[in-house]
Amino acid sequence: GQQVMQIPQYQHVQEGEDFTTYCNSSTTLSNIQWYKQRPGGHPVFLIQLVKSGEVKKQKRLTFQFGEAKKNSSLHITATQTTDVGTYFCRGGGGNKLTFGTGTQLKVEL
Amino acid sequence: EPEVTQTPSHQVTQMGQEVILRCVPISNHLYFYWYRQILGQKVEFLVSFYNNEISEKSEIFDDQFSVERPDGSNFTLKIRSTKLEDSAMYFCASSLGLAGSTDTQYFGPGTRLTVL
Repeated sequence: GQQVMQIPQYQHVQEGEDFTTYCNSSTTLSNIQWYKQRPGGHPVFLIQLVKSGEVKKQKRLTFQFGEAKKNSSLHITATQTTDVGTYFCRGGGGNKLTFGTGTQLKVEL
Repeated sequence: EPEVTQTPSHQVTQMGQEVILRCVPISNHLYFYWYRQILGQKVEFLVSFYNNEISEKSEIFDDQFSVERPDGSNFTLKIRSTKLEDSAMYFCASSLGLAGSTDTQYFGPGTRLTVL
């Protein structure tokens, strides 16, 4: 079955440093979504990418979909303590999108 | 802003007992989902539901699970005979259309199920 892997599994950064998480699929994805889950919270939708090579920005967050539509990245510039949480990618087709394994981000002052 | 609600927030049950987890999706949404997240692990898809029937389910969603939309607002997940390994956070989600399209899935706050 489809597998969606994310690296790294954990990341500790100092506030102000950049952060990137990568999502890799074993199969071509029709689209990819990114979610953020705060500690003890529920997944919250951030963005969806559909087109090959697509790049979208939300303030300090930059999302990219690979040319082959098998990988994606989320980059946060100048992290803040409010960025703490686990970032999941989710990709596939239809309504059974597969969640990635997640990257847990911790930001230290 | 409309939101998905779930009750109870925490359910404790004995192994072998039946539990029903309840969800109220966003009112104009047409697709409903259940997910499971074991502590410290990723979110896992269980089932999707549309037009009063299951549209897709995962390998996790075996015969001990069932879903129902008993009325126009509630969406329930029943676990017939709970096992220790069913202990997890269960999230309900809803969307206007297919997740494969541009529609967003909105997640509820979750029900933490603890099986003793």
